[in-house]
Amino acid sequence: DTAVSQTPKYLVTQMGNDKSIKCEQNLGHDTMYWYKQDSKKFLKIMFSYNNKELIINETVPNRFSPKSPDKAHLNLHINSLELGDSAVYFCASSPPLFLRGYTFGSGTRLTVV
Amino acid sequence: GENVGLHLPTLSVQEGDNSIINCAYSNSASDYFIWYKQESGKGPQFIIDIRSNMDKRQGQRVTVLLNKTVKHLSLQIAATQPGDSAVYFCAENKGEYGNKLVFGAGTILRVKS
Repeated sequence: DTAVSQTPKYLVTQMGNDKSIKCEQNLGHDTMYWYKQDSKKFLKIMFSYNNKELIINETVPNRFSPKSPDKAHLNLHINSLELGDSAVYFCASSPPLFLRGYTFGSGTRLTVV
Repeated sequence: GENVGLHLPTLSVQEGDNSIINCAYSNSASDYFIWYKQESGKGPQFIIDIRSNMDKRQGQRVTVLLNKTVKHLSLQIAATQPGDSAVYFCAENKGEYGNKLVFGAGTILRVKS
Protein backbone atom coordinates (compact mmCIF):
# COMPACT_ATOMS: atom_id res chain seq x y z
CA ASP A 1 0.00 0.00 0.00
CA THR A 2 1.90 3.03 -1.31
CA ALA A 3 2.18 5.88 1.21
CA VAL A 4 2.65 8.75 -1.29
CA SER A 5 1.53 7.95 -4.80
CA GLN A 6 1.91 10.09 -7.88
CA THR A 7 0.40 9.68 -11.32
CA PRO A 8 1.50 9.47 -14.01
CA LYS A 9 5.01 8.10 -13.53
CA TYR A 10 6.05 9.27 -17.00
CA LEU A 11 4.65 12.15 -19.03
CA VAL A 12 5.84 13.10 -22.51
CA THR A 13 4.15 16.10 -24.06
CA GLN A 14 4.65 18.85 -26.59
CA MET A 15 5.57 22.44 -25.86
CA GLY A 16 2.56 24.63 -25.24
CA ASN A 17 0.37 21.86 -23.83
CA ASP A 18 -1.28 21.90 -20.41
CA LYS A 19 -0.80 18.89 -18.12
CA SER A 20 -1.56 17.80 -14.56
CA ILE A 21 0.21 15.55 -12.10
CA LYS A 22 -1.75 14.04 -9.23
CA CYS A 23 -0.54 13.15 -5.76
CA GLU A 24 -2.23 11.33 -2.92
CA GLN A 25 -0.94 10.33 0.52
CA ASN A 26 -2.55 7.84 2.89
CA LEU A 27 -0.35 8.63 5.88
CA GLY A 28 -2.72 11.10 7.49
CA HIS A 29 -0.12 13.88 7.16
CA ASP A 30 -1.23 17.51 7.25
CA THR A 31 1.44 18.97 5.00
CA MET A 32 2.22 18.19 1.38
CA TYR A 33 4.87 19.49 -1.00
CA TRP A 34 5.98 19.62 -4.61
CA TYR A 35 9.68 19.46 -5.41
CA LYS A 36 11.40 19.67 -8.79
CA GLN A 37 14.55 17.65 -9.49
CA ASP A 38 16.54 18.86 -12.47
CA SER A 39 18.92 16.95 -14.72
CA LYS A 40 21.77 17.55 -12.23
CA LYS A 41 19.69 15.87 -9.48
CA PHE A 42 19.22 19.18 -7.67
CA LEU A 43 16.01 19.12 -5.59
CA LYS A 44 14.19 22.42 -5.15
CA ILE A 45 10.97 23.09 -3.32
CA MET A 46 8.14 24.59 -5.33
CA PHE A 47 5.06 24.60 -3.10
CA SER A 48 3.81 23.48 0.27
CA TYR A 49 0.26 23.08 1.53
CA ASN A 50 -0.83 22.58 5.11
CA ASN A 51 -4.34 21.24 5.50
CA LYS A 52 -5.36 22.60 2.07
CA GLU A 53 -3.79 26.02 2.72
CA LEU A 54 -0.83 27.26 0.67
CA ILE A 55 2.08 28.03 3.02
CA ILE A 56 5.15 27.98 0.79
CA ASN A 57 5.23 29.34 -2.74
CA GLU A 58 8.77 29.62 -4.04
CA THR A 59 9.69 31.63 -7.09
CA VAL A 60 7.88 29.46 -9.57
CA PRO A 61 6.36 30.70 -12.87
CA ASN A 62 2.63 31.24 -12.50
CA ARG A 63 2.14 28.65 -15.24
CA PHE A 64 2.41 26.22 -12.31
CA SER A 65 -0.70 26.04 -10.18
CA PRO A 66 -1.06 23.64 -7.27
CA LYS A 67 -4.46 22.56 -6.00
CA SER A 68 -5.30 20.76 -2.79
CA PRO A 69 -8.92 19.56 -2.72
CA ASP A 70 -8.33 17.94 0.70
CA LYS A 71 -5.35 17.32 2.93
CA ALA A 72 -4.65 13.92 1.37
CA HIS A 73 -4.30 15.28 -2.18
CA LEU A 74 -2.06 17.84 -3.82
CA ASN A 75 -2.17 18.16 -7.59
CA LEU A 76 0.07 20.20 -9.87
CA HIS A 77 -1.25 21.77 -13.05
CA ILE A 78 1.18 23.21 -15.56
CA ASN A 79 0.04 25.49 -18.39
CA SER A 80 1.87 26.25 -21.63
CA LEU A 81 4.63 23.76 -21.04
CA GLU A 82 8.18 24.78 -21.99
CA LEU A 83 11.28 22.72 -22.72
CA GLY A 84 12.82 23.90 -19.44
CA ASP A 85 9.97 22.31 -17.49
CA SER A 86 11.42 18.89 -18.28
CA ALA A 87 12.40 17.38 -14.93
CA VAL A 88 11.32 14.87 -12.33
CA TYR A 89 8.60 16.22 -10.06
CA PHE A 90 8.29 14.77 -6.57
CA CYS A 91 5.37 15.00 -4.23
CA ALA A 92 6.03 14.60 -0.52
CA SER A 93 4.19 14.80 2.77
CA SER A 94 5.18 15.35 6.38
CA PRO A 95 3.53 14.78 9.73
CA PRO A 96 2.96 17.30 12.53
CA LEU A 97 6.18 18.06 14.44
CA PHE A 98 8.02 17.17 11.24
CA LEU A 99 9.36 13.94 12.69
CA ARG A 100 11.57 12.11 10.17
CA GLY A 101 11.13 14.83 7.58
CA TYR A 102 9.25 14.08 4.40
CA THR A 103 7.95 10.92 2.81
CA PHE A 104 8.43 11.21 -0.93
CA GLY A 105 6.51 9.73 -3.81
CA SER A 106 8.36 7.92 -6.57
CA GLY A 107 8.31 10.90 -8.91
CA THR A 108 6.84 11.91 -12.26
CA ARG A 109 9.34 12.25 -15.10
CA LEU A 110 8.07 15.05 -17.33
CA THR A 111 9.62 15.39 -20.79
CA VAL A 112 8.61 18.34 -22.93
CA VAL A 113 9.45 17.97 -26.62
CA GLY B 1 24.05 3.97 -15.48
CA GLU B 2 21.67 6.81 -14.76
CA ASN B 3 24.25 8.84 -12.84
CA VAL B 4 26.89 8.86 -15.58
CA GLY B 5 27.78 12.39 -16.64
CA LEU B 6 26.13 14.02 -13.63
CA HIS B 7 29.36 15.57 -12.30
CA LEU B 8 28.25 15.15 -8.73
CA PRO B 9 30.91 14.32 -6.15
CA THR B 10 31.40 10.57 -6.30
CA LEU B 11 32.65 8.27 -3.59
CA SER B 12 33.76 4.79 -4.64
CA VAL B 13 34.27 2.26 -1.88
CA GLN B 14 34.98 -1.41 -1.66
CA GLU B 15 32.22 -3.60 -0.30
CA GLY B 16 32.71 -4.04 3.44
CA ASP B 17 34.61 -0.78 3.92
CA ASN B 18 33.19 2.22 5.76
CA SER B 19 31.91 5.23 3.81
CA ILE B 20 31.88 8.85 4.85
CA ILE B 21 29.79 11.35 2.92
CA ASN B 22 30.19 15.02 3.73
CA CYS B 23 27.91 17.99 3.43
CA ALA B 24 28.24 21.70 4.14
CA TYR B 25 25.06 23.54 5.02
CA SER B 26 24.39 27.22 4.64
CA ASN B 27 22.14 28.54 7.38
CA SER B 28 23.42 28.70 10.95
CA ALA B 29 19.79 29.06 12.11
CA SER B 30 18.79 25.66 10.67
CA ASP B 31 17.74 23.39 13.52
CA TYR B 32 17.05 20.06 11.93
CA PHE B 33 19.01 18.00 9.42
CA ILE B 34 18.22 14.88 7.48
CA TRP B 35 20.12 12.49 5.25
CA TYR B 36 18.25 10.97 2.34
CA LYS B 37 19.15 8.14 -0.03
CA GLN B 38 17.88 8.17 -3.60
CA GLU B 39 18.11 5.02 -5.68
CA SER B 40 17.73 5.07 -9.42
CA GLY B 41 14.14 5.75 -10.48
CA LYS B 42 12.88 6.28 -6.94
CA GLY B 43 12.10 9.13 -4.62
CA PRO B 44 14.46 10.17 -1.81
CA GLN B 45 14.19 7.90 1.21
CA PHE B 46 14.80 8.96 4.84
CA ILE B 47 17.95 7.50 6.40
CA ILE B 48 18.63 9.39 9.60
CA ASP B 49 18.02 12.79 11.15
CA ILE B 50 19.61 14.97 13.80
CA ARG B 51 18.53 18.09 15.65
CA SER B 52 20.87 20.99 16.23
CA ASN B 53 21.08 20.31 19.98
CA MET B 54 22.97 17.08 19.22
CA ASP B 55 26.42 16.37 17.77
CA LYS B 56 25.97 12.73 16.88
CA ARG B 57 23.19 10.25 16.24
CA GLN B 58 23.46 6.59 15.43
CA GLY B 59 21.16 4.30 13.54
CA GLN B 60 21.55 0.85 12.12
CA ARG B 61 24.93 0.92 10.31
CA VAL B 62 24.67 4.70 9.92
CA THR B 63 25.91 7.59 12.02
CA VAL B 64 25.34 11.29 11.44
CA LEU B 65 27.76 13.85 12.85
CA LEU B 66 26.93 17.53 13.13
CA ASN B 67 29.54 20.25 13.54
CA LYS B 68 27.70 23.53 14.00
CA THR B 69 30.89 25.55 14.32
CA VAL B 70 31.80 24.93 10.71
CA LYS B 71 28.27 24.11 9.48
CA HIS B 72 29.20 20.59 8.46
CA LEU B 73 27.30 17.31 8.42
CA SER B 74 28.62 13.88 7.69
CA LEU B 75 27.04 10.49 7.13
CA GLN B 76 29.04 7.43 8.02
CA ILE B 77 27.96 4.06 6.68
CA ALA B 78 29.56 1.03 8.28
CA ALA B 79 30.36 -2.12 6.30
CA THR B 80 29.10 -0.66 3.03
CA GLN B 81 27.06 -3.03 0.90
CA PRO B 82 26.20 -3.02 -2.84
CA GLY B 83 22.63 -2.04 -1.89
CA ASP B 84 24.01 1.21 -0.46
CA SER B 85 24.90 2.42 -3.97
CA ALA B 86 22.75 5.52 -4.54
CA VAL B 87 22.81 9.32 -4.50
CA TYR B 88 22.89 10.72 -0.96
CA PHE B 89 21.51 14.13 -0.04
CA CYS B 90 21.76 16.14 3.11
CA ALA B 91 18.88 18.50 3.82
CA GLU B 92 18.47 21.33 6.32
CA ASN B 93 15.23 22.63 7.71
CA LYS B 94 14.95 26.33 6.95
CA GLY B 95 11.25 26.81 7.52
CA GLU B 96 10.02 30.14 8.66
CA TYR B 97 6.33 29.45 8.19
CA GLY B 98 6.53 25.76 8.48
CA ASN B 99 8.90 23.12 7.41
CA LYS B 100 10.94 23.68 4.32
CA LEU B 101 13.74 21.28 3.60
CA VAL B 102 16.58 22.68 1.51
CA PHE B 103 18.64 19.97 -0.14
CA GLY B 104 22.34 19.88 -0.81
CA ALA B 105 23.75 18.93 -4.19
CA GLY B 106 24.05 15.18 -3.63
CA THR B 107 26.90 12.68 -3.57
CA ILE B 108 27.01 9.50 -5.62
CA LEU B 109 28.12 6.44 -3.64
CA ARG B 110 29.40 3.52 -5.72
CA VAL B 111 30.11 0.27 -3.97
CA LYS B 112 32.52 -2.11 -5.69
CA SER B 113 32.13 -5.82 -5.07
